Amino acid sequence: DAGVTQSPTHLIKTRGQQVTLRCSPISGHKSVSWYQQVLGQGPQFIFQYYEKEERGRGNFPDRFSARQFPNYSSELNVNALLLGDSALYLCASSPGRTTASTDTQYFGPGTRLTVL
Amino acid sequence: AQRVTQPEKLLSVFKGAPVELKCNYSYSGSPELFWYVQYSRQRLQLLLRHISRESIKGFTADLNKGETSFHLKKPFAQEEDSAMYYCALGGSEKLVFGKGTKLTVNP
Repeated sequence: DAGVTQSPTHLIKTRGQQVTLRCSPISGHKSVSWYQQVLGQGPQFIFQYYEKEERGRGNFPDRFSARQFPNYSSELNVNALLLGDSALYLCASSPGRTTASTDTQYFGPGTRLTVL
Repeated sequence: AQRVTQPEKLLSVFKGAPVELKCNYSYSGSPELFWYVQYSRQRLQLLLRHISRESIKGFTADLNKGETSFHLKKPFAQEEDSAMYYCALGGSEKLVFGKGTKLTVNP
């Protein structure tokens, strides 16, 4: 298993645009969580999805949305991009037996988003 | 509110010296504490969690609820321990990470 995969690796957008980031979990994992990591900070929780349902949401504006597909892969969408959205976006999968706050997270390599 | 504080942004020790990475937390519920590590050019990965009470790569961490701390310790640091270390707090809906400590072990 290649582990958690994310695409694209890097992305450059301009303010006001929309972006979609993709994540494929480890085989057998039913939960996907998304994190934003700004330079010099730790990852910050955005969403957790389990069995296509939202299980948890962090303190992010409604411009951020996500969904999970029947094969447990997930997309994170960000609308009306701001300069401050520039960050590394991490996806993590877990078996899903509990919430993202107590289940071991298996992280992907991340997508580096730059907003100009 | 959940909060994690890692007071040291950078920590530098010599090979063979003891190392302690500090983590303090604030949480009114029953905490779940983790240490995640990111080695150079690798993914963020779990190092250990308090409920396992394991020693991983010689590292241990004890949850002290009285002092609300979960410090990471290793008696003899190795050069391969050089990495970014993040303390994380769970227990409610979300996992909250500290800002991280960059550990450098010098030869």
